[in-house]
Amino acid sequence: DQQVKQNSPSLSVQEGRISILNCDYTNSMFDYFLWYKKYPAEGPTFLISISSIKDKNEDGRFTVFLNKSAKHLSLHIVPSQPGDSAVYFCAATAPSGSARQLTFGSGTQLTVLP
Amino acid sequence: GAGVSQTPSNKVTEKGKYVELRCDPISGHTALYWYRQSLGQGPEFLIYFQGTGAADDSGLPNDRFFAVRPEGSVSTLKIQRTERGDSAVYLCASSLGTSGGRVTQYFGPGTRLTVL
Repeated sequence: DQQVKQNSPSLSVQEGRISILNCDYTNSMFDYFLWYKKYPAEGPTFLISISSIKDKNEDGRFTVFLNKSAKHLSLHIVPSQPGDSAVYFCAATAPSGSARQLTFGSGTQLTVLP
Repeated sequence: GAGVSQTPSNKVTEKGKYVELRCDPISGHTALYWYRQSLGQGPEFLIYFQGTGAADDSGLPNDRFFAVRPEGSVSTLKIQRTERGDSAVYLCASSLGTSGGRVTQYFGPGTRLTVL
Protein backbone atom coordinates (compact mmCIF):
# COMPACT_ATOMS: atom_id res chain seq x y z
CA ASP A 1 0.00 0.00 0.00
CA GLN A 2 1.74 3.13 -1.28
CA GLN A 3 0.89 5.96 1.08
CA VAL A 4 2.75 8.57 -1.00
CA LYS A 5 2.46 8.47 -4.77
CA GLN A 6 4.22 10.35 -7.52
CA ASN A 7 2.41 9.24 -10.64
CA SER A 8 4.70 10.92 -13.16
CA PRO A 9 8.05 9.11 -13.40
CA SER A 10 9.45 11.85 -15.63
CA LEU A 11 8.89 15.44 -16.70
CA SER A 12 10.64 17.61 -19.29
CA VAL A 13 10.39 21.40 -19.39
CA GLN A 14 12.12 24.18 -21.25
CA GLU A 15 14.58 26.39 -19.42
CA GLY A 16 12.86 29.47 -18.02
CA ARG A 17 9.42 27.85 -17.90
CA ILE A 18 7.58 26.54 -14.86
CA SER A 19 8.07 22.98 -13.61
CA ILE A 20 5.18 21.46 -11.65
CA LEU A 21 5.76 18.20 -9.82
CA ASN A 22 2.81 16.47 -8.20
CA CYS A 23 2.36 14.18 -5.24
CA ASP A 24 -0.67 12.45 -3.72
CA TYR A 25 -0.99 10.80 -0.33
CA THR A 26 -3.51 8.59 1.41
CA ASN A 27 -2.62 8.77 5.10
CA SER A 28 -4.64 11.54 6.75
CA MET A 29 -2.28 11.44 9.75
CA PHE A 30 0.55 13.00 7.76
CA ASP A 31 1.20 16.47 9.18
CA TYR A 32 4.48 17.51 7.56
CA PHE A 33 5.57 17.23 3.96
CA LEU A 34 8.98 17.62 2.36
CA TRP A 35 10.53 17.71 -1.07
CA TYR A 36 13.99 16.35 -1.73
CA LYS A 37 16.16 16.61 -4.81
CA LYS A 38 18.55 13.83 -5.73
CA TYR A 39 21.44 13.84 -8.17
CA PRO A 40 23.00 10.55 -9.31
CA ALA A 41 25.38 8.97 -6.78
CA GLU A 42 24.40 11.48 -4.09
CA GLY A 43 21.99 11.36 -1.17
CA PRO A 44 18.68 13.23 -1.25
CA THR A 45 19.07 16.96 -0.58
CA PHE A 46 16.36 18.75 1.36
CA LEU A 47 14.60 21.39 -0.75
CA ILE A 48 11.49 22.73 0.93
CA SER A 49 8.84 21.64 3.42
CA ILE A 50 5.34 22.52 4.53
CA SER A 51 3.35 21.91 7.65
CA SER A 52 -0.24 20.71 7.36
CA ILE A 53 -1.45 23.92 9.01
CA LYS A 54 -0.36 25.86 5.93
CA ASP A 55 -1.36 25.66 2.28
CA LYS A 56 1.65 27.34 0.72
CA ASN A 57 5.33 27.78 1.43
CA GLU A 58 7.72 29.70 -0.77
CA ASP A 59 11.51 29.77 -0.88
CA GLY A 60 13.06 31.61 -3.79
CA ARG A 61 12.22 29.83 -7.03
CA PHE A 62 10.53 26.97 -5.17
CA THR A 63 6.94 26.95 -3.91
CA VAL A 64 5.08 24.05 -2.37
CA PHE A 65 1.29 23.97 -2.34
CA LEU A 66 -0.74 21.70 -0.08
CA ASN A 67 -4.40 20.79 -0.66
CA LYS A 68 -5.42 18.77 2.38
CA SER A 69 -8.94 18.04 1.21
CA ALA A 70 -7.58 16.48 -1.97
CA LYS A 71 -4.57 14.97 -0.18
CA HIS A 72 -2.40 16.49 -2.84
CA LEU A 73 0.73 18.60 -2.89
CA SER A 74 2.76 20.10 -5.66
CA LEU A 75 6.17 21.68 -6.11
CA HIS A 76 6.51 24.61 -8.48
CA ILE A 77 9.89 25.71 -9.79
CA VAL A 78 9.96 29.08 -11.52
CA PRO A 79 11.96 29.75 -13.59
CA SER A 80 13.36 26.30 -14.26
CA GLN A 81 17.10 26.03 -14.83
CA PRO A 82 19.20 23.21 -16.34
CA GLY A 83 20.81 22.67 -12.92
CA ASP A 84 17.38 21.72 -11.58
CA SER A 85 17.54 18.50 -13.58
CA ALA A 86 17.39 15.74 -10.96
CA VAL A 87 15.04 13.22 -9.38
CA TYR A 88 12.54 14.88 -7.04
CA PHE A 89 11.07 12.94 -4.14
CA CYS A 90 8.00 13.89 -2.18
CA ALA A 91 8.02 12.70 1.44
CA ALA A 92 5.58 12.84 4.33
CA THR A 93 5.71 12.18 8.03
CA ALA A 94 3.21 11.62 10.82
CA PRO A 95 3.56 11.64 14.60
CA SER A 96 4.02 7.98 15.52
CA GLY A 97 5.21 7.45 19.04
CA SER A 98 8.68 8.96 19.25
CA ALA A 99 9.65 8.25 15.68
CA ARG A 100 9.25 10.50 12.68
CA GLN A 101 10.21 8.33 9.76
CA LEU A 102 9.65 9.72 6.30
CA THR A 103 7.47 7.93 3.77
CA PHE A 104 8.68 8.64 0.25
CA GLY A 105 7.12 8.60 -3.17
CA SER A 106 8.91 6.83 -6.01
CA GLY A 107 10.27 10.07 -7.47
CA THR A 108 9.94 12.15 -10.63
CA GLN A 109 12.87 12.67 -12.97
CA LEU A 110 12.88 16.33 -14.00
CA THR A 111 14.81 17.31 -17.10
CA VAL A 112 15.19 21.02 -17.87
CA LEU A 113 16.14 21.54 -21.48
CA PRO A 114 18.41 24.49 -22.37
CA GLY B 1 29.50 22.67 8.97
CA ALA B 2 29.90 19.07 7.96
CA GLY B 3 26.92 17.14 6.72
CA VAL B 4 26.07 13.51 7.27
CA SER B 5 28.89 11.24 6.20
CA GLN B 6 28.74 7.55 5.35
CA THR B 7 31.44 4.99 4.81
CA PRO B 8 32.20 3.13 2.70
CA SER B 9 30.67 4.74 -0.37
CA ASN B 10 30.64 1.37 -2.12
CA LYS B 11 30.74 -2.15 -0.75
CA VAL B 12 30.86 -5.32 -2.81
CA THR B 13 30.51 -8.59 -0.94
CA GLU B 14 29.66 -12.20 -1.54
CA LYS B 15 26.46 -13.89 -0.59
CA GLY B 16 26.58 -15.11 3.01
CA LYS B 17 29.15 -12.59 4.21
CA TYR B 18 28.79 -10.05 7.02
CA VAL B 19 28.94 -6.29 6.35
CA GLU B 20 29.01 -3.14 8.43
CA LEU B 21 27.96 0.28 7.17
CA ARG B 22 28.86 3.40 9.11
CA CYS B 23 27.04 6.73 9.53
CA ASP B 24 28.33 9.92 11.13
CA PRO B 25 25.42 12.35 11.65
CA ILE B 26 25.45 16.14 11.77
CA SER B 27 26.88 17.32 15.07
CA GLY B 28 24.12 18.06 17.57
CA HIS B 29 21.46 16.00 15.81
CA THR B 30 19.89 13.62 18.29
CA ALA B 31 17.71 11.71 15.85
CA LEU B 32 19.30 9.29 13.37
CA TYR B 33 17.56 7.23 10.70
CA TRP B 34 18.56 4.47 8.30
CA TYR B 35 16.78 3.98 4.99
CA ARG B 36 17.24 1.63 2.07
CA GLN B 37 16.70 2.65 -1.54
CA SER B 38 16.26 0.13 -4.31
CA LEU B 39 16.51 1.02 -7.98
CA GLY B 40 13.59 3.11 -9.22
CA GLN B 41 12.06 3.55 -5.79
CA GLY B 42 12.08 6.08 -3.01
CA PRO B 43 13.98 5.44 0.22
CA GLU B 44 12.29 3.05 2.67
CA PHE B 45 12.59 3.42 6.41
CA LEU B 46 14.60 0.82 8.34
CA ILE B 47 15.32 2.05 11.86
CA TYR B 48 15.32 5.18 14.00
CA PHE B 49 17.50 6.17 16.96
CA GLN B 50 16.81 8.87 19.50
CA GLY B 51 20.07 9.16 21.39
CA THR B 52 21.59 5.74 21.95
CA GLY B 53 18.45 3.62 21.85
CA ALA B 54 16.65 2.21 18.83
CA ALA B 55 13.27 3.85 19.30
CA ASP B 56 11.71 2.23 16.25
CA ASP B 57 13.12 -0.71 14.30
CA SER B 58 9.87 -1.66 12.60
CA GLY B 59 11.37 -1.20 9.13
CA LEU B 60 14.12 -3.79 9.48
CA PRO B 61 13.25 -6.57 7.01
CA ASN B 62 14.39 -9.48 9.20
CA ASP B 63 16.72 -10.45 12.03
CA ARG B 64 19.78 -10.44 9.79
CA PHE B 65 19.72 -6.66 10.05
CA PHE B 66 20.86 -4.89 13.20
CA ALA B 67 21.99 -1.35 14.00
CA VAL B 68 23.71 0.27 16.96
CA ARG B 69 24.49 3.78 18.12
CA PRO B 70 26.46 3.18 21.33
CA GLU B 71 27.43 6.77 22.18
CA GLY B 72 24.52 8.61 20.65
CA SER B 73 26.45 9.84 17.65
CA VAL B 74 27.97 7.44 15.08
CA SER B 75 25.78 4.54 14.05
CA THR B 76 26.61 1.21 12.40
CA LEU B 77 24.18 -0.86 10.36
CA LYS B 78 25.12 -4.52 10.42
CA ILE B 79 23.89 -7.14 7.96
CA GLN B 80 24.58 -10.82 8.59
CA ARG B 81 24.51 -13.61 5.99
CA THR B 82 23.98 -11.17 3.16
CA GLU B 83 21.67 -12.12 0.31
CA ARG B 84 21.53 -10.83 -3.26
CA GLY B 85 18.25 -9.11 -2.42
CA ASP B 86 20.07 -6.93 0.11
CA SER B 87 21.75 -5.08 -2.76
CA ALA B 88 20.64 -1.45 -2.55
CA VAL B 89 21.80 2.01 -1.53
CA TYR B 90 21.71 2.38 2.25
CA LEU B 91 21.05 5.96 3.33
CA CYS B 92 21.55 7.53 6.71
CA ALA B 93 19.81 10.73 7.81
CA SER B 94 19.80 12.87 10.93
CA SER B 95 17.56 15.57 12.35
CA LEU B 96 17.48 17.93 15.30
CA GLY B 97 14.41 16.31 16.76
CA THR B 98 10.95 15.04 16.04
CA SER B 99 8.65 18.02 16.30
CA GLY B 100 7.82 20.94 14.06
CA GLY B 101 10.54 22.02 11.69
CA ARG B 102 13.05 19.91 13.61
CA VAL B 103 11.73 16.86 11.79
CA THR B 104 13.58 17.85 8.61
CA GLN B 105 16.01 15.06 7.90
CA TYR B 106 19.36 15.59 6.22
CA PHE B 107 20.78 12.70 4.28
CA GLY B 108 24.26 11.39 3.70
CA PRO B 109 25.53 10.29 0.28
CA GLY B 110 24.69 6.64 0.93
CA THR B 111 26.54 3.35 0.76
CA ARG B 112 25.93 1.29 -2.37
CA LEU B 113 25.92 -2.36 -1.31
CA THR B 114 26.27 -5.04 -3.96
CA VAL B 115 25.92 -8.68 -2.97
CA LEU B 116 27.27 -11.07 -5.59
